[in-house]
Amino acid sequence: DVKVTQSSRYLVKRTGEKVFLECVQDMDHENMFWYRQDPGLGLRLIYFSYDVKMKEKGDIPEGYSVSREKKERFSLILESASTNQTSMYLCASTTRGWGAAGYTFGSGTRLTVV
Amino acid sequence: GQQLNQSPQSMFIQEGEDVSMNCTSSSIFNTWLWYKQDPGEGPVLLIALYKAGELTSNGRLTAQFGITRKDSFLNISASIPSDVGIYFCAGRTQGGSEKLVFGKGTKLTVNP
Repeated sequence: DVKVTQSSRYLVKRTGEKVFLECVQDMDHENMFWYRQDPGLGLRLIYFSYDVKMKEKGDIPEGYSVSREKKERFSLILESASTNQTSMYLCASTTRGWGAAGYTFGSGTRLTVV
Repeated sequence: GQQLNQSPQSMFIQEGEDVSMNCTSSSIFNTWLWYKQDPGEGPVLLIALYKAGELTSNGRLTAQFGITRKDSFLNISASIPSDVGIYFCAGRTQGGSEKLVFGKGTKLTVNP
C-alpha cells in the first residue's frame, strides 16, 4: 500500500526552539507539499517542491523553511517556533502531471508550541 | 491565492438523513476532487471528477462536476455514524498547475 509517512503524530515544543517535521513517501512522487490546517481556515499551503533540491513558497511561508535533499523526503523546518505555529501539519505528495489519484496525504503532525 | 467557497461550514444531522455540500469558484477548473478527513487523520480521496457534467458515484457518495466548470457538489445518502469527519473539495485549474486549491471544509456530525 502506498504511503506518505510523517515522523511524529504529536509534538510539543518550546517557544524559540528549532523544529523539524519529516515526511517520507514511498511512491517515487516528484511533487511534495506541506500544509497547515487550522479550524475555520482549511488547508493552507506553506511550501512545495517539484523535485530534489527544488522548493517554492506557498501562501503562508513566513516562519518556515523546507529541505528536499532526497526525492522521497521533504522536511519542514520551523526556524524559531512560536505559539502561533501551533497547528496540524499535513504532508502530501503526487506524481508530476498528477495521474488519477490527486494528492496522497500523510496522517498529520499535531504540533503544540508552549 | 485562489479560493474555493465551500458550504456549509458544518452540518449536524441524524443517522439515515441525506447530506449535500458544494463548492463554487470564480475560476474555471478542469479537475474536481472530494476528500474526507477522519478525526486525527489526513484527508483521503473519495471521488475525482475530470469532465464538465460528469456524475460519479462511490457507494453512498455521489459527486458532480458542474457544467460551467466552476462548481461541484457532493451528496451522501443514508448517512451513518462513520460518515463523521471533515469533507474538503479541491480543484485544479485549467493552466495545469501542480497545486490543488482547497475549500475550507464541511464538518459533518452524525447523531445516532
